[in-house]
Amino acid sequence: DGGITQSPKYLFRKEGQNVTLSCEQNLNHDAMYWYRQDPGQGLRLIYYSQIVNDFQKGDIAEGYSVSREKKESFPLTVTSAQKNPTAFYLCASSILNMPPLLNEQFFGPGTRLTVL
Amino acid sequence: EDQVTQSPEALRLQEGESSSLNCSYTVSGLRGLFWYRQDPGKGPEFLFTLYSAGEEKEKERLKATLTKKESFLHITAPKPEDSATYLCAVQPHGAQKLVFGQGTRLTINP
Repeated sequence: DGGITQSPKYLFRKEGQNVTLSCEQNLNHDAMYWYRQDPGQGLRLIYYSQIVNDFQKGDIAEGYSVSREKKESFPLTVTSAQKNPTAFYLCASSILNMPPLLNEQFFGPGTRLTVL
Repeated sequence: EDQVTQSPEALRLQEGESSSLNCSYTVSGLRGLFWYRQDPGKGPEFLFTLYSAGEEKEKERLKATLTKKESFLHITAPKPEDSATYLCAVQPHGAQKLVFGQGTRLTINP
């Protein structure tokens, strides 16, 4: 079954700790994305990557870091510098079209992070 | 600045009562518009892609339409299982990133 997996489903963190959220896809997609979702707000882009070993900041990258060492994997680290990290985190992937054609993104099931 | 606004924020319908959800957008050229369904605590599920004014797409009780300034998601004779949050996103011309609206929370009462 092709798809996107995220783990863990729920994550609890103490203030001052870094945590890493996992995202894996077996769709052979080139591009991967991390979004944050807060109640009553649209999805906000944190980071995205179009190719292995390269990534770009999105609209709210402060306090987050990513890596893209493999095409299938795009982990997100929420650092202690992120002031309000409690949220629902979504990973997505898409085929990379050049020039940018339709970017149909497919999402994983999400990770809910709670800071205690 | 590219912007997407969805209305209403929340909508309650009786089973079988048809209605429409709105997605208004302002972008510097539209490459595509996407509709997603999101159940509580889950990731968005892809529904439709629209890319030219006048285009329509259908799936079961849902029909999405597109004009130059907005998109509608029409739901015909809805059932309780259609209850979800519906998200709209636009892709500006020349861009890889999507801009999302805040969603419409739809509740269908039996």
